[in-house]
Amino acid sequence: GAVVSQHPSWVICKSGTSVKIECRSLDFQATTMFWYRQFPKQSLMLMATSNEGSKATYEQGVEKDKFLINHASLTLSTLTVTSAHPEDSSFYICSTEAGQGVHNEQFFGPGTRLTVL
Amino acid sequence: QKEVEQDPGPLSVPEGAIVSLNCTYSNSAFQYFMWYRQYSRKGPELLMYTYSSGNKEDGRFTAQVDKSSKYISLFIRDSQPSDSATYLCAMSGETSGSRLTFGEGTQLTVNP
Repeated sequence: GAVVSQHPSWVICKSGTSVKIECRSLDFQATTMFWYRQFPKQSLMLMATSNEGSKATYEQGVEKDKFLINHASLTLSTLTVTSAHPEDSSFYICSTEAGQGVHNEQFFGPGTRLTVL
Repeated sequence: QKEVEQDPGPLSVPEGAIVSLNCTYSNSAFQYFMWYRQYSRKGPELLMYTYSSGNKEDGRFTAQVDKSSKYISLFIRDSQPSDSATYLCAMSGETSGSRLTFGEGTQLTVNP
């Protein structure tokens, strides 16, 4: 399967600061990447779909001005949590879509644990 | 009502047991069904990928899809302590592309 990396693996920041999380597709070019958030003992909730060279598509209830997504190349998508607050503390996971069909397998990164103090 | 229902457990079994994990769903448009394994503080790992109804086997793992009942299962034979993880079902439809809808996940512990 596809190899996806995330950086950093964990980050602690003060309330009000911004944090950038990187998602890289290491062994293939990813036109589409997905960003998820996972709270403890809960499932993955899709936040947004990131498309290379165009604006991301956000799920209902996700603030696009707070969670800035940039997908400037076929191997890198970034999620920036702006003016982070303690309620933004969560596990953020990206995935890439491997294939060119209508429906393709998704492969996930190792996740980034964000703690906002 | 959630689109995908999955018993969160926790489920605890002895080593060597057969484990049965299940999900039900309400959206009849779902055509693609997946099972992911997630270890603590790690990203999900794709275990099984099935299209439409039927069975699929891979080593100790068997995935079953019954679209008429809107019910999917994952069976783990000869369970090992290393199988201890959270198992997530996920599914999507023809028109949703690769957007996945996940179940809540079932936490499994296999005791040596």
